[in-house]
Amino acid sequence: GAGVSQSPSNKVTEKGKDVELRCDPISGHTALYWYRQSLGQGLEFLIYFQGNSAPDKSGLPSDRFSAERTGGSVSTLTIQRTQQEDSAVYLCASSFDRGGGEKLFFGSGTQLSVL
Amino acid sequence: GESVGLHLPTLSVQEGDNSIINCAYSNSASDYFIWYKQESGKGPQFIIDIRSNMDKRQGQRVTVLLNKTVKHLSLQIAATQPGDSAVYFCAENRNSGYSTLTFGKGTMLLVSP
Repeated sequence: GAGVSQSPSNKVTEKGKDVELRCDPISGHTALYWYRQSLGQGLEFLIYFQGNSAPDKSGLPSDRFSAERTGGSVSTLTIQRTQQEDSAVYLCASSFDRGGGEKLFFGSGTQLSVL
Repeated sequence: GESVGLHLPTLSVQEGDNSIINCAYSNSASDYFIWYKQESGKGPQFIIDIRSNMDKRQGQRVTVLLNKTVKHLSLQIAATQPGDSAVYFCAENRNSGYSTLTFGKGTMLLVSP
């Protein structure tokens, strides 16, 4: 497709289980971002990938959160031993990132509910 | 403007009115600013952006104003339509090396027919 694609769109899990969220960025975009949005809140930066550089993980809230980006394209965000406070919408975005500020294109997000 | 907590500031307007949504940003070194619109159940959608070497930029029915002196950003929507109802976020790029956007809490715009 032409836009950023995320799957699943909804995920319900039990506390303590691991979850994987997937993101397919726009073809040709070198930068990929994960953000988290809690109910009625703004977007919280989690992690950023740019090309072959080491990712910026400064926004990950705990070591239960990790992300990979394979082949410079698809990314997976993994949350281990989920907690109820992890419930949120997880948004992926991509951009060309030529430096100095670029608009990000967002997917529709994955709504994660931890029971 | 922006707020903390679960309750978004809300702007209610009549169809056809002009709307102004305000945002205070925090970092005087931020060099790029952007407005997003988010409808329920969707990801944020780009509206308009502006770099710090400008103070005004116009798009289709939208204008962004940047006042660096007071670190203030505003989005003006002309002839607001019911389809403009959404949450609007401002974001700033605090790192000139790459594009990690920092988002405000958002303002809900409600347009009545």
